[in-house]
Amino acid sequence: KNEVEQSPQNLTAQEGEFITINCSYSVGISALHWLQQHPGGGIVSLFMLSSGKKKHGRLIATINIQEKHSSLHITASHPRDSAVYICAVRFLTGNQFYFGTGTSLTVIP
Amino acid sequence: KAGVTQTPRYLIKTRGQQVTLSCSPISGHRSVSWYQQTPGQGLQFLFEYFSETQRNKGNFPGRFSGRQFSNSRSEMNVSTLELGDSALYLCASSLEGTGNQPQHFGDGTRLSIL
Repeated sequence: KNEVEQSPQNLTAQEGEFITINCSYSVGISALHWLQQHPGGGIVSLFMLSSGKKKHGRLIATINIQEKHSSLHITASHPRDSAVYICAVRFLTGNQFYFGTGTSLTVIP
Repeated sequence: KAGVTQTPRYLIKTRGQQVTLSCSPISGHRSVSWYQQTPGQGLQFLFEYFSETQRNKGNFPGRFSGRQFSNSRSEMNVSTLELGDSALYLCASSLEGTGNQPQHFGDGTRLSIL
């Protein structure tokens, strides 16, 4: 069964803290995406991973294919990082994206 | 380069009506996917079009349909609207639509059913 689980569901952090959001999936994937959604609805694609690690500014995404797990890290968090972060995977079987329930992050100044 | 454009941004309809939403992908992108987002179900895949052909379809009733034109613009149609169809409808485009390509999302159409 194709399942994607994200944790935590909600996260509140003080400005400057290191943040980790986790995503686990049930079966083999061709790719995993991390998305960011700000209030108002617009979604931005942050990372696309099939192995290893990627870094962009203060954001780092890692994936462990054997453990079927990915993490999104935010270093030196800032109030503008407040958003919903969504993990999306494309399983090897089937050709559509499945989404995690999202993590709502609030960074307090 | 212009991003993905969705129109209209907001729409209010009543039960039983039908609605058509439009999505213009990034120039050169041939794949357009549609998603429904609700507070209860989160993001769910509706369908994907590539080169005017529906390539994949999610688990939605036949009231939800779509099409893609030769210029890659896409429309989705929902007939006999129900209260539960109230949602944010997002489209995303990519070059070829494979899972290992970035998806570029539009700002969405927020549909409210009264």
